[in-house]
Amino acid sequence: KAGVTQTPRYLIKTRGQQVTLSCSPISGHRSVSWYQQTPGQGLQFLFEYFSETQRNKGNFPGRFSGRQFSNSRSEMNVSTLELGDSALYLCASSLDRALYEQYFGPGTRLTVT
Amino acid sequence: AQKVTQAQTEISVVEKEDVTLDCVYETRDTTYYLFWYKQPPSGELVFLIRRNSFDEQNEISGRYSWNFQKSTSSFNFTITASQVVDSAVYFCALSEAKTGRRALTFGSGTRLQVQP
Repeated sequence: KAGVTQTPRYLIKTRGQQVTLSCSPISGHRSVSWYQQTPGQGLQFLFEYFSETQRNKGNFPGRFSGRQFSNSRSEMNVSTLELGDSALYLCASSLDRALYEQYFGPGTRLTVT
Repeated sequence: AQKVTQAQTEISVVEKEDVTLDCVYETRDTTYYLFWYKQPPSGELVFLIRRNSFDEQNEISGRYSWNFQKSTSSFNFTITASQVVDSAVYFCALSEAKTGRRALTFGSGTRLQVQP
């Protein structure tokens, strides 16, 4: 079974621009979560989607948004990029049956200059 | 609020040594899940184990073992006879059990270096 895939793997953007990251979950997984990893703040939860609905949201500004499509693929968008948004963005998918095991993708490394 | 503390920032051992990674957590929930993940240099988080709050049995999987003690809010991870391939950053994480609250709260990670 293919794992979680994320595209692109690396991205360089300029401050003020916006960016869209994509995540394809493991086949059959309906829950997709996003996390931001930085050296200073560590791993932080952004949001979780299930059946195209945002079910949970972390403590991030409104510039961070996401969505999920009917095939469970998810995108996250960051508008008006700031230098501090440079991070590894990780997507995780899981079944929704009380197992709570989240399987992570390789991440997208975003650099904001 | 939930919190996970991994006090050991970095550990260096020589191959074949046993090593224990500490994890202490805080939560007000009576039902919760604890996890360990491994992050090799490639960056991908690899799931190692999930334990729910009602199951305090220790678990062993090959060279890996986990000691969950609710009385001390700890969920420690031991690697027996460490190998160079075990070198990675290890994260302990905590999650509420309620649907809609399935966010992992991670510790800051412990970097393990296994020297040949």
